[in-house]
Amino acid sequence: GQQVMQIPQYQHVQEGEDFTTYCNSSTTLSNIQWYKQRPGGHPVFLIQLVKSGEVKKQKRLTFQFGEAKKNSSLHITATQTTDVGTYFCAQKTSYDKVIFGPGTSLSVIP
Amino acid sequence: DTEVTQTPKHLVMGMTNKKSLKCEQHMGHRAMYWYKQKAKKPPELMFVYSYEKLSINESVPSRFSPECPNSSLLNLHLHALQPEDSALYLCASSQVLAGRYNEQFFGPGTRLTVL
Repeated sequence: GQQVMQIPQYQHVQEGEDFTTYCNSSTTLSNIQWYKQRPGGHPVFLIQLVKSGEVKKQKRLTFQFGEAKKNSSLHITATQTTDVGTYFCAQKTSYDKVIFGPGTSLSVIP
Repeated sequence: DTEVTQTPKHLVMGMTNKKSLKCEQHMGHRAMYWYKQKAKKPPELMFVYSYEKLSINESVPSRFSPECPNSSLLNLHLHALQPEDSALYLCASSQVLAGRYNEQFFGPGTRLTVL
């Protein structure tokens, strides 16, 4: 079945450093969604990308969808301790099925 | 109201018990989901209800029995569970709009421990 992979699995950064997580698929993706889950919390929707080469920004977060629609990235500029959590990319297929990637766990050292 | 609520927050049950997890949303969403999440893993889809009808069952064992009594409520009935079923059970909902990929709103989850 369709699978999305994410790298890195874990990332530890000093507060103020930048952070990037990558989501990759061997097949063309119709869309990519990104979610954030804080420790002890539940996934919270961040963004959805559907167009080839699409770039969206939310304050310090920049999301990209690859030209071939086989990869996506989430970049955080100048990380803060509030950015701590696990970032999941996910693909929503037809029939409302959502497939989550394995996630990247971000730790921010103050 | 943009919230999905779940009860109980925590549940401890024996392998012979019968219990139910409850989920409620008042956003008018017509798709509702159950996920299972183990520690340090992504959520795994279990069931999808669309317009109160079961549309996806991801080969979940019959000891898990979902129910959607109406468009706002989703239950998960548990019976004869195994210790390996201990996990965070997440409910989610989303709109169903043709040709669009709609975000899911997750509830806080029920942390289940099976002894």
